[in-house]
Amino acid sequence: GNSVTQMEGPVTLSEEAFLTINCTYTATGYPSLFWYVQYPGEGLQLLLKATKADDKGSNKGFEATYRKETTSFHLEKGSVQVSDSAVYFCALSGRGSYIPTFGRGTSLIVHP
Amino acid sequence: EAGVTQFPSHSVIEKGQTVTLRCDPISGHDNLYWYRRVMGKEIKFLLHFVKESKQDESGMPNNRFLAERTGGTYSTLKVQPAELEDSGVYFCASRSTSGSYNEQFFGPGTRLTVL
Repeated sequence: GNSVTQMEGPVTLSEEAFLTINCTYTATGYPSLFWYVQYPGEGLQLLLKATKADDKGSNKGFEATYRKETTSFHLEKGSVQVSDSAVYFCALSGRGSYIPTFGRGTSLIVHP
Repeated sequence: EAGVTQFPSHSVIEKGQTVTLRCDPISGHDNLYWYRRVMGKEIKFLLHFVKESKQDESGMPNNRFLAERTGGTYSTLKVQPAELEDSGVYFCASRSTSGSYNEQFFGPGTRLTVL
């Protein structure tokens, strides 16, 4: 079956540091890949997505590239801000499915 | 436009008691989903409503869980009787059937603690 593995947190960074949160997946076929973010007290929000190999999703300075050869979708940001502190979830969904398979989430804490 | 709302935000109950969680989807969204995240684990799918009908309930853990969506608007998820392993955060999401990309919109979740 489908599964998503992401790095355990918390990840603690200083403001303006470079961020990478690793995500790898196992799936049959060609899934769509997502990163969701949950800010404190809020619901999950779709941060970015990629629907086919070599696609790059980007939003709010975050980027992730769909790497089929390494089955990865690592999240990166060049310069994090305190406001980026949140829990980040990597997820995938198979073709024709709107129900994501989620990873365990990675908590990001950014200090001033 | 109001987002997905969930009530209560937190609930602490004793083992054996009953708890009912409520989800109000975005107005007009026919699709409603329930998910659960046990502490430190993945967010797991529980079930999917289309309007008032259960489309997929394959993720429901056992018959202590009962979900309803009367009238196709808000939904409730009842746990009776609650067990310790039911503790976690319960998320609700809704989705419109129309549109070029059907994104699910998530609520903030209800944190359930069973003592």
